[in-house]
Parts: sequence; structure tokens; C-alpha cells
Amino acid sequence: RKEVEQDPGPFNVPEGATVAFNCTYSNSASQSFFWYRQDCRKEPKLLMSVYSSGNEDGRFTAQLNRASQYISLLIRDSKLSDSATYLCVVNMLGYGGSQGNLIFGKGTKLSVKP
Amino acid sequence: DGGITQSPKYLFRKEGQNVTLSCEQNLNHDAMYWYRQDPGQGLRLIYYSQIVNDFQKGDIAEGYSVSREKKESFPLTVTSAQKNPTAFYLCASSLRDRGITDTQYFGPGTRLTVL
Repeated sequence: RKEVEQDPGPFNVPEGATVAFNCTYSNSASQSFFWYRQDCRKEPKLLMSVYSSGNEDGRFTAQLNRASQYISLLIRDSKLSDSATYLCVVNMLGYGGSQGNLIFGKGTKLSVKP
Repeated sequence: DGGITQSPKYLFRKEGQNVTLSCEQNLNHDAMYWYRQDPGQGLRLIYYSQIVNDFQKGDIAEGYSVSREKKESFPLTVTSAQKNPTAFYLCASSLRDRGITDTQYFGPGTRLTVL
């Protein structure tokens, strides 16, 4: 079973708030994890890759928990411009050849209000 | 500028017609992908190609066809056999190292509407 699950939201938060999204994946052999951002009626754009040790990029922090098979994205000091849908993406080995292919979650919608 | 281009941005088709969506990349990426996105849904893989002259079916290949004659180009044809073709079509590309699947970068997409 290949599956990536996310809470669809929407998450409605005020500017300056901290918000966290979680995502669970079903394939324990997955090796690559990403968060993408998708604005309304636009293409997905890479926000950040997620590493085993966790990683931070400015206001964004991503964590990976392999034992529980979930990844998280934390956004601090939310800006109006953060309003978008955030896609959890996982490489699924055995799906699409030996190197696997990416499975996209349906996304979590974030709306940051003034 | 390096990147992925898709054309047209909007496409209208009558039932029973075949249409071809263009996807070009100048990133020197080995792998290319076609996805379909329906409102409120995740991306679903239609076809992908890891090298020139080779391509594989994804989850929802029925009613679609592709070719990969050049590294830079991966056109998608939506045939009349596709029962519900109205959707947002996204092309992506990535390096295909001997290691783990690399990050995919997307073109701006084509919105296809069947009238």
C-alpha cells in the first residue's frame, strides 16, 4: 500500500502565529522526504527536503520520525505570504522502478490572516 | 533561464479529440514525469521516463500516451479514450542519480477543459 496522508485543514491562523503540520507515510523503506508548497492554481514548488537529523530554513523547520513514519513542518512567525497548500512528498521504493517514485499527499491548506 | 516550460497554459478540447501537451526542460535532467491534479486531490502519476526512448506507465496511464525522443522533451497526448480528461496537468523533471530519487521540479502546468 502506497500512501501519504495529511490533514487537509484548513488551518486558519493569525499573522505571527506558529503552526505545525504532520504527515504520515505507509512505506517504512522510504528514503526521501520533501515538503512542497502549492499556491492556488499554480505548480508545486519545493519548500525543503527533510533529513533524518531534521533541518531548518529560516522560519521553517522539518522533522522526520522514521520509527513512527511521520514527518512534520513547523512554521514560525507566520506571514500572510505563507498562505498556500503544503504538500508532503515521500519517495516510495518499489513504486516505479528500483529507485522508486514520489508519492504526493493531498496537501494541508494554510490561511494566514491579518 | 533554466527551467521547465509547458504549453499551452489553457487548452479547450471537444469530446472525441486528441490533444498534445508540450513539456520542455533545459535543466539537463534525466527523468521527466507527467501528473494530473483534480480539485482537492493530490497529484497522480500518469507516465514517467527515466531516459531517452524509454517510458513507463504510472497509476493512471489509460487514455494517455507519451514519447521521449529527446532528453529535453516529454509530450503528453490525451486521447479520446480518456473518459474524464478535464484537469490540471503538471510536468516535472529530476536528476536520476544512481542513488535516491532526486527532487522534482515542476513546470507551470496546463489546464485542460473538455467542452
